[in-house]
Amino acid sequence: GAVVSQHPSRVICKSGTSVKIECRSLDFQATTMFWYRQFPKQSLMLMATSNEGSKATYEQGVEKDKFLINHASLTLSTLTVTSAHPEDSSFYICSARDLPGRPQHFGDGTRLSIL
Amino acid sequence: QQQVKQSPQSLIVQKGGISIINCAYENTAFDYFPWYQQFPGKGPALLIAIRPDVSEKKEGRFTISFNKSAKQFSLHIMDSQPGDSATYFCAARPAVRGGKLIFGQGTELSVKP
Repeated sequence: GAVVSQHPSRVICKSGTSVKIECRSLDFQATTMFWYRQFPKQSLMLMATSNEGSKATYEQGVEKDKFLINHASLTLSTLTVTSAHPEDSSFYICSARDLPGRPQHFGDGTRLSIL
Repeated sequence: QQQVKQSPQSLIVQKGGISIINCAYENTAFDYFPWYQQFPGKGPALLIAIRPDVSEKKEGRFTISFNKSAKQFSLHIMDSQPGDSATYFCAARPAVRGGKLIFGQGTELSVKP
């Protein structure tokens, strides 16, 4: 149980385009989803936390107009990287939990490469 | 005070040996301490977790040892196998509602055959 599916697993696109990444909880209702960014050989950096039906809460230094997060249902959250540039290239990982205090389960990440 | 310090950064162990990874924290409000295993190109997977009311938790070859007074916890992998080669992250989360996971820096484990 507790499967989180992330799509796509890899995306390559040109600078200036917008990219949408989907995160789905397959067998539980995710009241809270989290979006992380991970650079090579580094730890996970939390970008934002989203609760179903509410606006996302962004960590300090993360541009909310750059990284649009939508959590419209209990099983789906999306991250849209708007007007992506090469410096946005990274590994983006979502995670989800059903209730506060419960374990977080992670998706398999999306490798984003901006040319 | 929100940091979780993890060591070593990398670890090489022979097959069959014991792998030990250590983490230390400062915030006494942390009440949940998970360990995650991450393979290259994949997301982290929850391996084992402990709360501070116990000093040790064992699941198969994986054991967490927890020292509340020292504010330290460690992961022991017994009978390490090449398939255990991955990056391991410790984490901690405060008891407050909406508390976020704070990750350690990660340990890259390589188990040699």
